[in-house]
Amino acid sequence: EAQVTQNPRYLITVTGKKLTVTCSQNMNHEYMSWYRQDPGLGLRQIYYSMNVEVTDKGDVPEGYKVSRKEKRNFPLILESPSPNQTSLYFCASSSSLDRLDNSPLHFGNGTRLTVT
Amino acid sequence: EDQVTQSPEALRLQEGESSSLNCSYTVSGLRGLFWYRQDPGKGPEFLFTLYSAGEEKEKERLKATLTKKESFLHITAPKPEDSATYLCAVQAPDYKLSFGAGTTVTVRA
Repeated sequence: EAQVTQNPRYLITVTGKKLTVTCSQNMNHEYMSWYRQDPGLGLRQIYYSMNVEVTDKGDVPEGYKVSRKEKRNFPLILESPSPNQTSLYFCASSSSLDRLDNSPLHFGNGTRLTVT
Repeated sequence: EDQVTQSPEALRLQEGESSSLNCSYTVSGLRGLFWYRQDPGKGPEFLFTLYSAGEEKEKERLKATLTKKESFLHITAPKPEDSATYLCAVQAPDYKLSFGAGTTVTVRA
């Protein structure tokens, strides 16, 4: 089954304790992206990757890092989490940004992060 | 800056009571407008892509339409299983995707 898998689904942590949220897709997609979803603000892009070893900042990259060493994996790293990073995070993938009609964004089921 | 505004924020419908959701946008040179459905505890799921004014797409009880400044998602004779949050996204010429905040639809039996 084609899917985007995120782990963990829920995470409670304390300020400053480094954490990683994993994302893996099994569709051989080149494009992957991380979003955060906050009430009233919609989905905001954190980072994206057009292909292996190619990453770029989205609209809200501060406090986050990513890496793309393999095509299928795109982990999100919070080196020193703060309470304002409490949010619902989604990983998404597509074969290409210019073919969203034929290959729409596929989303994972989200990771709910709470930073106290 | 590209903006996507969805209205209303929430919509409560009786089963069978048709209604429409609105997505207005300000992006110039729209590459595409996308509708997604999001169920509680899940990621958004793709519904439709619209490219040009006048275009319409249908899927079961849902019909999406597009003008030069907005898109409508019409829900005809909704059922409780249509309850979800509906998200609109627009793609600019530089491929950037911007999402609206969504409309949460609740359909009562």
